[in-house]
Amino acid sequence: EIVLTQSPGTLSLSPGERATLSCRASQSVSSSYLAWYQQKPGQAPRLLIYGASSRATGIPDRFSGSGSGTDFTLTISRLEPEDFAVYYCQQYGSSPRTYTFGQGTKLEIK
Amino acid sequence: EVQLVESGGGLVQPGGSLRLSCAASGFTVSSNYMSWVRQAPGKGLEWVSVIYSGGSTYYADSVKGRFTISRHNSKNTLYLQMNSLRAEDTAVYYCARDSLLLQAFDIWGQGTMVTVSS
Repeated sequence: EIVLTQSPGTLSLSPGERATLSCRASQSVSSSYLAWYQQKPGQAPRLLIYGASSRATGIPDRFSGSGSGTDFTLTISRLEPEDFAVYYCQQYGSSPRTYTFGQGTKLEIK
Repeated sequence: EVQLVESGGGLVQPGGSLRLSCAASGFTVSSNYMSWVRQAPGKGLEWVSVIYSGGSTYYADSVKGRFTISRHNSKNTLYLQMNSLRAEDTAVYYCARDSLLLQAFDIWGQGTMVTVSS
C-alpha cells in the first residue's frame, strides 16, 4: 500500500507570499494519478490539480503542480486571503482502484 | 447544474445501522465511478468505498463486511448502507464522482454527518 506523506504539517505565510507544499509517496506513483484538493472549514474538498500538473476547471493560474515518481509539489505563487485552507494530495493505485490521501497541510495566515 | 446532495446522516447507537443517500443532478450516476469518502472530526480524508459503472464494488478494509455501496439508476442516486456501526465510524461522509477522464474526484457533495454514540 502506498503511503503519501505531506509536509509541512502547517505552513504559516502572509498574503502575497509564495507557498510550496510537498507530497512524498512511499513508492513511485504515476503522475497521471496524482491530484491535489483544497478544503476550507465546513466545506467539501475541491479539486485543484489532476495528473500532477493540470489545473481543474476554474482554478486560478497562481496554483501549479509539479513532480514525478515519489515527489510532488503544489505551489501557490502569490497567496490570496481565500487560499488559506487545508490541502490534500491523493493518488490512485492499480486495479482494483485503491485510493490514498495524504494527511494534509494546513496553510494558515501568519 | 452538476451537483451531489447527500442525506441520511444522524446520531446512531453503536451496533446500529444507517443508510446514506447521494442524489446526483447534471450527470448519470450509473455511467460513472462513484465513491464515498469520510472525514472524522478534525482529521483527514479517508476513502470508504467505490462502485464502478459496471457495478463492481470495493471497500476500505476498515468497513469491509459492514458497509454496502449501491445505486438506484432510475433515481440517479448513490447509497451507502452502514451496519454494525462503531464509534470510529463517526465522520462527515462525502459522496464524490471519480472522474476517469481526470483520474481525480472532480465533484463532491456537501457531506452528511454521522455520529455513533450511546
